[in-house]
Amino acid sequence: KAGVTQTPRYLIKTRGQQVTLSCSPISGHRSVSWYQQTPGQGLQFLFEYFSETQRNKGNFPGRFSGRQFSNSRSEMNVSTLELGDSALYLCASSSLQGKSADTQYFGPGTRLTVL
Amino acid sequence: AQSVTQLGSHVSVSEGALVLLRCNYSSSVPPYLFWYVQYPNQGLQLLLKYTTGATLVKGINGFEAEFKKSEASFHLTKPSAHMSDAAEYFCAVSLNQGGKLIFGQGTELSVKP
Repeated sequence: KAGVTQTPRYLIKTRGQQVTLSCSPISGHRSVSWYQQTPGQGLQFLFEYFSETQRNKGNFPGRFSGRQFSNSRSEMNVSTLELGDSALYLCASSSLQGKSADTQYFGPGTRLTVL
Repeated sequence: AQSVTQLGSHVSVSEGALVLLRCNYSSSVPPYLFWYVQYPNQGLQLLLKYTTGATLVKGINGFEAEFKKSEASFHLTKPSAHMSDAAEYFCAVSLNQGGKLIFGQGTELSVKP
């Protein structure tokens, strides 16, 4: 099976702009989670979608949003970009049931740089 | 609040030496525990996980970890380090909240020839 894919891999934006990142999960996986990774804050959970519904949300401002489509592909959007949003954004998918014990399989990430 | 603590942000070992990466967690409910590895410019790869059953868990690349409930620990070990083990290692817990992982701050492992 193909792994989790994320597009684009690299992105440069300026402050105030908005950005959309895309994630395609492993075929058959219905749960998609998003994480932000920065040197200062480490890996932080953004949100999780399961069967097109947001099931969990981390402690991020409303500028961060996401959605999931019927084919389980997911997008996250960040509006009004700030310098502090520069990070590696990782997407992970887990199996059909999306249970807590399930392994999450991570994509390679999208490196976002905000200038 | 649930949290994960990895002792030592940097660990350096010689090739062939024992690798020990420490992870302690704080949780009011029994957690599911994971160790992931991240190589430069890549995503995270699962090394091993503990859900239920045997507390000594074997993973890929010769790594293993032991869940000790009394110590709230899940330390990662490997008997003999290899140069290819140099990477960043993350301990994580899942707390019956679906696909939400709480990560430790990570430990960067260096392996000296």
